Amino acid sequence: QQQVKQSPQSLIVQKGGISIINCAYENTAFDYFPWYQQFPGKGPALLIAIRPDVSEKKEGRFTISFNKSAKQFSLHIMDSQPGDSATYFCAASIKTSYDKVIFGPGTSLSVIP
Amino acid sequence: NAGVMQNPRHLVRRRGQEARLRCSPMKGHSHVYWYRQLPEEGLKFMVYLQKENIIDESGMPKERFSAEFPKEGPSILRIQQVVRGDSAAYFCASSPELRGNTIYFGEGSWLTVV
Repeated sequence: QQQVKQSPQSLIVQKGGISIINCAYENTAFDYFPWYQQFPGKGPALLIAIRPDVSEKKEGRFTISFNKSAKQFSLHIMDSQPGDSATYFCAASIKTSYDKVIFGPGTSLSVIP
Repeated sequence: NAGVMQNPRHLVRRRGQEARLRCSPMKGHSHVYWYRQLPEEGLKFMVYLQKENIIDESGMPKERFSAEFPKEGPSILRIQQVVRGDSAAYFCASSPELRGNTIYFGEGSWLTVV
């Protein structure tokens, strides 16, 4: 029940296109949903995050859409650039007294010129 | 404002040796988390610590692995008698005391067991 599912496993998008990564969860106690971006040989870095009381959050070219009833959320990368090529992890935080973060398996994004 | 510092960045150990990975959290952060990332896999939670206390070690293997976060000094993840399957990237993250803040990751320590 603490699992976070993520798809697709890998994604190839042309430069300027829209990259879409989908995630789903089961545990309704999750109350914080961050997305992390990881480049090869580096640690994950927070990209954008959303709480379940909001249906959408946008920061620059990155948008999270959240569907609380379906227990699904997604990341949209508009105008995708080669520099966006990385692995993206969705995640969820359990509602306890600390920030234990559960990660999805990741999506490897390649943006081709 | 330094981020989460991990060392060593790369470590090679022979089977049966011990590996010690160190993590200094961001300034002002008192919560430390360790995650493991196996090749081509996601991040798996291992352990959560506050100063001098292990809060949640539900992701730690039952044997050979231990973690500490002493009052002074960095957090240490210790792997005894390493095996080939321990080869992975080990990431440390930290967060401040307040609930609801994001965890911030270090650059990771890459362990290779030969």
